[in-house]
Amino acid sequence: AQTVTQSQPEMSVQEAETVTLSCTYDTSESDYYLFWYKQPPSRQMILVIRQEAYKQQNATENRFSVNFQKAAKSFSLKISDSQLGDAAMYFCAYRSPYSGSRLTFGEGTQLTVNP
Amino acid sequence: GAGVSQTPSNKVTEKGKYVELRCDPISGHTALYWYRQSLGQGPEFLIYFQGTGAADDSGLPNDRFFAVRPEGSVSTLKIQRTERGDSAVYLCASSFGTSGETQYFGPGTRLLVL
Repeated sequence: AQTVTQSQPEMSVQEAETVTLSCTYDTSESDYYLFWYKQPPSRQMILVIRQEAYKQQNATENRFSVNFQKAAKSFSLKISDSQLGDAAMYFCAYRSPYSGSRLTFGEGTQLTVNP
Repeated sequence: GAGVSQTPSNKVTEKGKYVELRCDPISGHTALYWYRQSLGQGPEFLIYFQGTGAADDSGLPNDRFFAVRPEGSVSTLKIQRTERGDSAVYLCASSFGTSGETQYFGPGTRLLVL
């Protein structure tokens, strides 16, 4: 079974600065999908960014980008020019195209943005 | 269009009671998922539907939990003889397909069993 680990329970960043959230995963599969979701206090999980394992190029969505290191099984999220609205819980998630369609989530990282 | 909706937003019940949680997926999405999120943890998979049938129910913790999706759209998660340990946020998600498609989540139902 796949596992996802987020080793930073809490992180903080100053507004307008850059922060990187870490995620590692364990799998024996070669093809899979990785996601970062944001969960504000409203509870709604919002997709931030996704990465297909077969793509070597790191995904980017505006101020959000990932550093995908397949050999190291690492998938970190970089938030540039942090804004107060970025404050939330961030979850890394893994999805296999083979063993069902479930998402396997990490434990989450609580991000605080200081003005 | 509208996103995934879940009702009720909050539910308080007593130990031993029966509860139903409802999920309305995004129109046209054939796949529907239920997850449970305990306090301070990431969501855990419960069950997923492809159309009307449960394609994978391996995440249901025991036989007190059951879910249906009779017409391939709305789904209901049913919990019998609730226990205090069932207290959690129950999240529903839907996707257009299943092969790598992004799952879109609803706001969840917070269940508190007293």
